[in-house]
Amino acid sequence: DGGITQSPKYLFRKEGQNVTLSCEQNLNHDAMYWYRQDPGQGLRLIYYSQIVNDFQKGDIAEGYSVSREKKESFPLTVTSAQKNPTAFYLCASRSHPWVGTEAFFGQGTRLTVV
Amino acid sequence: AQTVTQSQPEMSVQEAETVTLSCTYDTSESDYYLFWYKQPPSRQMILVIRQEAYKQQNATENRFSVNFQKAAKSFSLKISDSQLGDAAMYFCAYGISSGSARQLTFGSGTQLTVLP
Repeated sequence: DGGITQSPKYLFRKEGQNVTLSCEQNLNHDAMYWYRQDPGQGLRLIYYSQIVNDFQKGDIAEGYSVSREKKESFPLTVTSAQKNPTAFYLCASRSHPWVGTEAFFGQGTRLTVV
Repeated sequence: AQTVTQSQPEMSVQEAETVTLSCTYDTSESDYYLFWYKQPPSRQMILVIRQEAYKQQNATENRFSVNFQKAAKSFSLKISDSQLGDAAMYFCAYGISSGSARQLTFGSGTQLTVLP
């Protein structure tokens, strides 16, 4: 079945560690996105990518990094520079960057700093 | 900057009844899209309905319909014949139709409870 797979579902990070969240899609979509979700807030855009080897910062990119070496994959690294990384992270993709197309979401990764 | 406001953090509805979720947005653009997404307890976001700003006719998807008031910048979601499976967090979202792919701007969500 086509879709977006995020892994792991739960992730724990120690202070000062970098962690990488995986996002894979088999929908052949060009555009991919990373959002952060905090309680009482909507989704905030971290990074997005329209094509392979290209990505752009979103509204809250500080402390995060991404890569887009393959069309199917858009991993997110939460670095030690991110001061408050505990949150729920959602990956999404669109067939085309045009806004009218539906965004498909993964099931998310909950990151907790311990 | 575009903003999306959902003024109802929580709503409840009796099963089989109708409920309306409110959303307002702020934009200087004339061409854009509006969406309602549903996030059930599984946390996976699902598109419920979308509205193109240039279309005057309100979008409808089965039991879900919108009341789009462009001048008032209002985009409410009506759920008819509510079912237990409708219980979820509902997010209103806005996106412009031109420029970069960075859309969408989301509201803070409305948690809908369906009472049996």
